[in-house]
Amino acid sequence: ETGVTQTPRHLVMGMTNKKSLKCEQHLGHNAMYWYKQSAKKPLELMFVYSLEERVENNSVPSRFSPECPNSSHLFLHLHTLQPEDSALYLCASSQEGLAKNIQYFGAGTRLSVL
Amino acid sequence: TQLLEQSPQFLSIQEGENLTVYCNSSSVFSSLQWYRQEPGEGPVLLVTVVTGGEVKKLKRLTFQFGDARKDSSLHITAAQTGDTGLYLCAGANSGGSNYKLTFGKGTLLTVNP
Repeated sequence: ETGVTQTPRHLVMGMTNKKSLKCEQHLGHNAMYWYKQSAKKPLELMFVYSLEERVENNSVPSRFSPECPNSSHLFLHLHTLQPEDSALYLCASSQEGLAKNIQYFGAGTRLSVL
Repeated sequence: TQLLEQSPQFLSIQEGENLTVYCNSSSVFSSLQWYRQEPGEGPVLLVTVVTGGEVKKLKRLTFQFGDARKDSSLHITAAQTGDTGLYLCAGANSGGSNYKLTFGKGTLLTVNP
């Protein structure tokens, strides 16, 4: 148990569906992240929120829309996805301001787009 | 763009053997972290190394940070089946925003009984 909980763990959706991924952290951290993990690629940073403000959008297509209503919760809203978006989506949190930037990850949501 | 190269990409060994995996870059990092990711789970932090030349031990795992803070190695002694997983290294930037980590592609280790 890392203190970061992601739901759902698995998601299958069609290209016309709208769904949301949820992440909750119980560590009192002030920064949260969305990563995409695909086979044979390094973890790709998608979005970063610090103190509930988005500080990074790594050229992510607009069909991915993040939301951070407070420092403990992070959502990733999905719509009109493509099959190549199938991947493991990981949420992480950290306490920004620490030089080591230790990030704690959730177990991920395995997304399959049909 | 900072890159971290991990080698080997895949490693399959028998229980009881020793192994070393590597994480190399041409860039300097302020710190480097090692994570292990088991199937169906997210990465879990094993260790953070900060000082050039630093060596840290975690039971049978020995981590070393290069003198120039550009590379790192992980040595496992007498591997066990529970060591199976994807080992990821991640470097924290030495300047600029302190929230970014650069990840390698990982080494997938399989320890066979």
